Amino acid sequence: DVKVTQSSRYLVKRTGEKVFLECVQDMDHENMFWYRQDPGLGLRLIYFSYDVKMKEKGDIPEGYSVSREKKERFSLILESASTNQTSMYLCASSSLKLMNTEAFFGQGTRLTVV
Amino acid sequence: AQSVSQHNHHVILSEAASLELGCNYSYGGTVNLFWYVQYPGQHLQLLLKYFSGDPLVKGIKGFEAEFIKSKFSFNLRKPSVQWSDTAEYFCAVNAGYNQGGKLIFGQGTELSVKP
Repeated sequence: DVKVTQSSRYLVKRTGEKVFLECVQDMDHENMFWYRQDPGLGLRLIYFSYDVKMKEKGDIPEGYSVSREKKERFSLILESASTNQTSMYLCASSSLKLMNTEAFFGQGTRLTVV
Repeated sequence: AQSVSQHNHHVILSEAASLELGCNYSYGGTVNLFWYVQYPGQHLQLLLKYFSGDPLVKGIKGFEAEFIKSKFSFNLRKPSVQWSDTAEYFCAVNAGYNQGGKLIFGQGTELSVKP
């Protein structure tokens, strides 16, 4: 089974802190994604990466950055956390070579910024 | 840019009622289409997917969806819902290789099924 693992289920951080959310997948997938999920807004794409060291902005990249130094790991960074970044963050991965496969999701990290 | 629109934000049905959830997307090229489900407290799971071929696709738990290219739609249906179908449902579009596999989701539809 594909496994996408997010390092934390719950996080509480203070305004202004630098926050790292880590995601690891074990299926050698090329694509990795970071979304945030908010009630009534669905899943909004923050960043995605289709290869090591490659990244593309999604729909809401402001206030976030990402890092992909290894194929299996995709990190989301909040340079200076703000209360409006309180949300559920979801990581996903998918195969780029096998286009008839879906994305697989982690359990999510619920981040609260106080 | 791609976008996905789900028409219904919250749907309330009684058990055994029929379900149809609307999904429209905007992208002129070849697309792959998905419906995901999120049960309370659980992670997103794939319900069904369309890549090519028969536009009527069947998924798990009796769900099906129809791809109508001329309408840019991929509506989800189930003839008879159960209480256990209570969940949030998300439609998603992948614009394919040219977009690097970028996957865009709709706003989600919360389904509540009353016993």
